[in-house]
Amino acid sequence: AQTVTQSQPEMSVQEAETVTLSCTYDTSESNYYLFWYKQPPSRQMILVIRQEAYKQQNATENRFSVNFQKAAKSFSLKISDSQLGDTAMYFCALTSPGGSNYKLTFGKGTLLTVNP
Amino acid sequence: DAGVIQSPRHEVTEMGQEVTLRCKPISGHDYLFWYRQTMMRGLELLIYFNNNVPIDDSGMPEDRFSAKMPNASFSTLKIQPSEPRDSAVYFCASSLVGLPYYEQYFGPGTRLTVT
Repeated sequence: AQTVTQSQPEMSVQEAETVTLSCTYDTSESNYYLFWYKQPPSRQMILVIRQEAYKQQNATENRFSVNFQKAAKSFSLKISDSQLGDTAMYFCALTSPGGSNYKLTFGKGTLLTVNP
Repeated sequence: DAGVIQSPRHEVTEMGQEVTLRCKPISGHDYLFWYRQTMMRGLELLIYFNNNVPIDDSGMPEDRFSAKMPNASFSTLKIQPSEPRDSAVYFCASSLVGLPYYEQYFGPGTRLTVT
């Protein structure tokens, strides 16, 4: 079984500042993929960033980057230059594709509020 | 290309009624997933299909829930009879085994309210 834990139910940050959201996971698979999804008030689930376990280089997408610590099973999301539109629930997710198993396991989410 | 399409966006029904939620995956995708989101339980995978065949329905809460995928471009999730505890947001997502990261793309969700 695989698990994803987000220990911060809520966070807040001032506009233009940097914030880091934490995520830890557990899986017995050697090949897996990690994701951060954003869910704004519109409730649409938006893929923010993705990381393959075999790649040591941390993924970056514009203002979003991750700190992937494989040995510690940690996958944190850093948002730089926070914007009001970043206010949303953020979910960390894990999939370990093997055979035909493509289940995504989600954490409980972190509600991020960006204050003006 | 259009994303995952779900209908209706909102559904309000009375306890005991049948509810049918619909999903059109991204064209060419071969995996389809149904999720339920509630405050208490977060995002739960209900069932998923590969090439229209149900692969894992262990997340379906009980016999009142059923899902079908008659073809590659359409799936339904049916609740009969509905109960107030079924109130939630239901998401459909699709994926393609050839995608490099196996990522899933979500529809806008259906907010179901059972009174």
